[in-house]
This record gives sequence, C-alpha cells and structure tokens, in this order.
Amino acid sequence: EAGVAQSPRYKIIEKRQSVAFWCNPISGHATLYWYQQILGQGPKLLIQFQNNGVVDDSQLPKDRFSAERLKGVDSTLKIQPAKLEDSAVYLCASSRRQSETQYFGPGTRLLVL
Amino acid sequence: KNQVEQSPQSLIILEGKNCTLQCNYTVSPFSNLRWYKQDTGRGPVSLTIMTFSENTKSNGRYTATLDADTKQSSLHITASQLSDSASYICVVTFSGGYNKLIFGAGTRLAVHP
Repeated sequence: EAGVAQSPRYKIIEKRQSVAFWCNPISGHATLYWYQQILGQGPKLLIQFQNNGVVDDSQLPKDRFSAERLKGVDSTLKIQPAKLEDSAVYLCASSRRQSETQYFGPGTRLLVL
Repeated sequence: KNQVEQSPQSLIILEGKNCTLQCNYTVSPFSNLRWYKQDTGRGPVSLTIMTFSENTKSNGRYTATLDADTKQSSLHITASQLSDSASYICVVTFSGGYNKLIFGAGTRLAVHP
C-alpha cells in the first residue's frame, strides 16, 4: 500500500512570495490533515478535511493560508504572501476515518528568507 | 486548557541501555493516547495506541504505559539501538467533539555507540 505522498520535499522562497504544497493521501482515506511543525515543536493542526468538506480550520491563518480538497482526494495548501515565521515543515496526514490512526507523509520543509 | 507535556526535552543514552520517556496531559475528555516516532526528515509513525481502559501496550522493544487517573503515560525503550535515535511524540485524542489530536512537543532521543 502506498503511503501519503507530498511534494515538493523542500522549498526556499523569499518573504512576501507565494508557495503551494501538494498532498496525495492513502487511497480510500476520507480524512486529510495539514499540520505545521516548527523546529523543536510538535505538529500543529492547520486544517482537517472530511472528504471535500472542512471539519476544522480554527488554527489556519486565513489571511494568508488557504487549502482545498476539491474532489475529496488530493489536497493543496497555499501560503500567500509568506512570512519569515512560516518557516517550518508542513506535514500532510490521512486516516480512513476521523478516529483512526493518522498516517503521515514525509513533509515539505519550507524556508522563508 | 488541553495540553500535553513531555519530558525530558532531549536525552542521550548509550547503545544497549534502556530509557523511559514521560508524558503528562490535561486533555479531557480523551479517548486514546498514542506514541509516535519521528525520524529526522520524516513524518511521524505510530508506535502504540492505548484507550483509557488500557494500562500497557507493547510493540517490540517499545512498551507504553498509561495511568488515566494521574493522566500520565510513559514509553520505555529496551536495549536501545542506534536506529532508535529520533523524536518521540505523545499524542492524546480529545474526544469532546470530532476527535482532535493534541500533540506534545516530543522528546529527542540520541543513541550513541
């Protein structure tokens, strides 16, 4: 069974630029999550999708971050414009259902200069 | 406030030695507690999962314990190997709603030869 795929693996941009990350969850997983993990900290949930609907986006900085999962499968997370404090690893995870184990992708490491 | 605190923040041990990592939480109500292992540059991988009625769960050389009364959990690693070098994250599922995961900051373990 293929795991959660993410791309790109690394991205370096300058502040005020835009960036987009892509995630393809495990086949058949209805729930998809985007996390932000700052160095030395645990992951922080940014947004949770159930199929193509948003379950929780309470910690998503909506003035600059957006995410979509239009067909209920893969998802994109966008930052526009980026700030220095957005430098982090962005992890995507998926689970069959909300209460089940989440499987994480390798993450995208973002550096904002 | 729902929080998960882990100790120590970092730990260095020699190969072959045992170690114990601690997790204290204030999440309530909670449905389960997980320990994840996160290798450098990778996403977290689930090691164990325990419901509030379980006291212990083993996965090879990893043994997790849970005391729901004192809201404490530990992860014991036996006969450590170099490949155990990673961050270990305690994650508690908050069940007051849609099963939101509350992450600890992790313990960074380094196993030296």
